[in-house]
Amino acid sequence: AQSVAQPEDQVNVAEGNPLTVKCTYSVSGNPYLFWYVQYPNRGLQFLLKYITGDNLVKGSYGFEAEFNKSQTSFHLKKPSALVSDSALYFCAVRDAVGNFNKFYFGSGTKLNVKP
Amino acid sequence: GAGVSQSPSNKVTEKGKDVELRCDPISGHTALYWYRQSLGQGLEFLIYFQGNSAPDKSGLPSDRFSAERTGGSVSTLTIQRTQQEDSAVYLCASSQDRGFTYEQYFGPGTRLTVT
Repeated sequence: AQSVAQPEDQVNVAEGNPLTVKCTYSVSGNPYLFWYVQYPNRGLQFLLKYITGDNLVKGSYGFEAEFNKSQTSFHLKKPSALVSDSALYFCAVRDAVGNFNKFYFGSGTKLNVKP
Repeated sequence: GAGVSQSPSNKVTEKGKDVELRCDPISGHTALYWYRQSLGQGLEFLIYFQGNSAPDKSGLPSDRFSAERTGGSVSTLTIQRTQQEDSAVYLCASSQDRGFTYEQYFGPGTRLTVT
């Protein structure tokens, strides 16, 4: 069955340190992978995506993510965290086989960046 | 340009009443999604519209839930005979869904509280 797992409910990091938010997925075909961020009392905002091509994709606000097919992972990273990065982060996968139009979202990871 | 808008932003209703939630997608976006986000949870897919095709209703939790999209633009999600477990934030998203442009743009959501 198609699914997305974000194993950490919360990630704490000090400002200026690198951050990683983990995501693993399970789909039957080629995955289309996405990261979204949700700031308090706001809707989700698109950060970046992997469809095809280079395994390292760069997105908004200095975030990047690495697609690893063998580990079925798509971890979100940033070299130097900012306090303003504190938010809820969601990984999502679009099922590209069969039911072509369905997205599966992870349960979200709360990122806390402390000054 | 204008993003996805949703109305109302907040709705408090009594158990057993019907409610209608509205979504205005980004102009030109052919795909429209409805999701439900319960407190502390990830996103639950509800329904998907793509152009003039029949909608994918596979995520609707019961027959009390229905949605329509008029003229390929505005969508209304209707919940009949609301129950307390329907309390959640209802998010709408739209996307172009062509080429490799599958990322969704989300509205701010409607917070539904059933008392």
